[in-house]
Amino acid sequence: GAGVSQTPSNKVTEKGKYVELRCDPISGHTALYWYRQSLGQGPEFLIYFQGTGAADDSGLPNDRFFAVRPEGSVSTLKIQRTERGDSAVYLCASSLTVAGDNEQFFGPGTRLTVL
Amino acid sequence: DQQVKQNSPSLSVQEGRISILNCDYTNSMFDYFLWYKKYPAEGPTFLISISSIKDKNEDGRFTVFLNKSAKHLSLHIVPSQPGDSAVYFCAARPSGAGSYQLTFGKGTKLSVIP
Repeated sequence: GAGVSQTPSNKVTEKGKYVELRCDPISGHTALYWYRQSLGQGPEFLIYFQGTGAADDSGLPNDRFFAVRPEGSVSTLKIQRTERGDSAVYLCASSLTVAGDNEQFFGPGTRLTVL
Repeated sequence: DQQVKQNSPSLSVQEGRISILNCDYTNSMFDYFLWYKKYPAEGPTFLISISSIKDKNEDGRFTVFLNKSAKHLSLHIVPSQPGDSAVYFCAARPSGAGSYQLTFGKGTKLSVIP
């Protein structure tokens, strides 16, 4: 079956603009995660959904960042008033459940560039 | 404050030889450790993991060793192949609350020379 997909693969925007990044998890996976990978760093946790609800958004850097998963499948990460420091690769992952040793499967990421 | 550290940004190894990638951690609450492999323009792919109750886990050419007292783990690849050239991330997660939250190192870029 298909893996985790993310669109767009690349997004270039201007400082101050609003952007939306989309994630399609593996069908049947109830848990969904967003990570951010800045240049030269490893992925950093942003937010985790179990079903439709954000169970843990402690990694979101500030209130300009918001994510939704209204039907428990596709998720959208929204960034308002983008800043140059938001430039990074945004990775989405999903797992069958959150319990135990369930592997997180990652998508290819969206590379966001804020000019 | 980096809780998972990969101190070698890069490593070059001859094809057929052993590759050893190292990882240190500081958080005593971590009890499950994973290695991910990443090719350019792709997401990280799970490679191998180890629970804190073990000191070794082997899967084909890949072996992960865990030294809990030293808070150190390593990934051994034997024999190394050119297709192993990628960035390798060490990751860790705690038990209990927040166990879904992976903490990654900065990665080590492995180059296997034919």
